[in-house]
Amino acid sequence: KAGVTQTPRYLIKTRGQQVTLSCSPISGHRSVSWYQQTPGQGLQFLFEYFSETQRNKGNFPGRFSGRQFSNSRSEMNVSTLELGDSALYLCASSVARAGANVLTFGAGSRLTVL
Amino acid sequence: SQQGEEDPQALSIQEGENATMNCSYKTSINNLQWYRQNSGRGLVHLILIRSNEREKHSGRLRVTLDTSKKSSSLLITASRAADTASYFCATDDSSYKLIFGSGTRLLVRP
Repeated sequence: KAGVTQTPRYLIKTRGQQVTLSCSPISGHRSVSWYQQTPGQGLQFLFEYFSETQRNKGNFPGRFSGRQFSNSRSEMNVSTLELGDSALYLCASSVARAGANVLTFGAGSRLTVL
Repeated sequence: SQQGEEDPQALSIQEGENATMNCSYKTSINNLQWYRQNSGRGLVHLILIRSNEREKHSGRLRVTLDTSKKSSSLLITASRAADTASYFCATDDSSYKLIFGSGTRLLVRP
């Protein structure tokens, strides 16, 4: 079965612009989580969506937002980009089984902000 | 915020040797998981150990969990060059929010 698909894989933006990243989860997975990975901060949790509702949120400013659609596909948006937003953005899906929430990750979207 | 701290940050061993990496965490957990990441790609789930388990095996992987010390270790036996990757522990407190550690970069020299 198809894995988690993230698009685009690479993108370059300039400061002040906004960006939208997309994630298609594995069929049947209703939970989608987003992470930001940078060399300095490691893997930081952004948010988690389940059945179109944001169920968990990390400690990121309001410029970072997301949503989930009825088919479980998810998007995240970063507005007013800053240089520090350059990172690998990883999406992961799961069946959200209580007590055993195992994530399947996509290959990531690498964002460079100039 | 990161829940886990991993030790060592980097590890270089010869093929055939065993690799041990450790993870410490701060709060109560429901389970702890280990993931692997190859050079900036997505992470791949390796193994999950529940809070009421002390040891678990999967192929060449052995994971231990000590909830009293809030620590876990991952042992890779008879390492191969293909094991070269970064390894992360992740804690699950049943909130469906996995928090990852800082990772250990493993280099297995042929």
